[in-house]
Amino acid sequence: GNSVTQMEGPVTLSEEAFLTINCTYTATGYPSLFWYVQYPGEGLQLLLKATKADDKGSNKGFEATYRKETTSFHLEKGSVQVSDSAVYFCALSANRDDKIIFGKGTRLHILP
Amino acid sequence: NAGVMQNPRHLVRRRGQEARLRCSPMKGHSHVYWYRQLPEEGLKFMVYLQKENIIDESGMPKERFSAEFPKEGPSILRIQQVVRGDSAAYFCASRGPSADTQYFGPGTRLTVL
Repeated sequence: GNSVTQMEGPVTLSEEAFLTINCTYTATGYPSLFWYVQYPGEGLQLLLKATKADDKGSNKGFEATYRKETTSFHLEKGSVQVSDSAVYFCALSANRDDKIIFGKGTRLHILP
Repeated sequence: NAGVMQNPRHLVRRRGQEARLRCSPMKGHSHVYWYRQLPEEGLKFMVYLQKENIIDESGMPKERFSAEFPKEGPSILRIQQVVRGDSAAYFCASRGPSADTQYFGPGTRLTVL
């Protein structure tokens, strides 16, 4: 079945450091790929998405590129801020009507 | 445009009681999804509904759990005879008829004593 695997946390970085959170997926066909962010005590917010191979999703300085050849969708940011501290979820959806399948989440701590 | 609304935000029940969780989708959205997040885990799909229809309930536990999305009013996730293992955050998401993005509500955090 479809699944998402992302790097385990917690990840602790200093402010202005470069961030990478790895995510790989298993799916038949051409799923849509997402990164969601969950701030403490809140629900999930869509951070970015990509719907086909080689698409790059970007938002708030975060980027991720849909790599079909490596079945990956790694999240990157060039310079993190304390306010980026949150849990990040990689996810996929096989088609528009389908449920979203989430990775287990990666907790990110940014130190001032 | 108001986002997805869920209430209550926090719910405490004793073992054996019933829990009712409500979800009002975004305006114009007729597709609703429920997910459960156990402590320190990702979200797991439970059920997908459209107005008056259950489309996919493959993630729902076989007993005690039910969901509905009536023609009028919010979607309801109902848990009968709650047990401690039901303690979790329950999230609702909605999407528009021709869209592929689900928008999530703030969740209901259920605690079973």
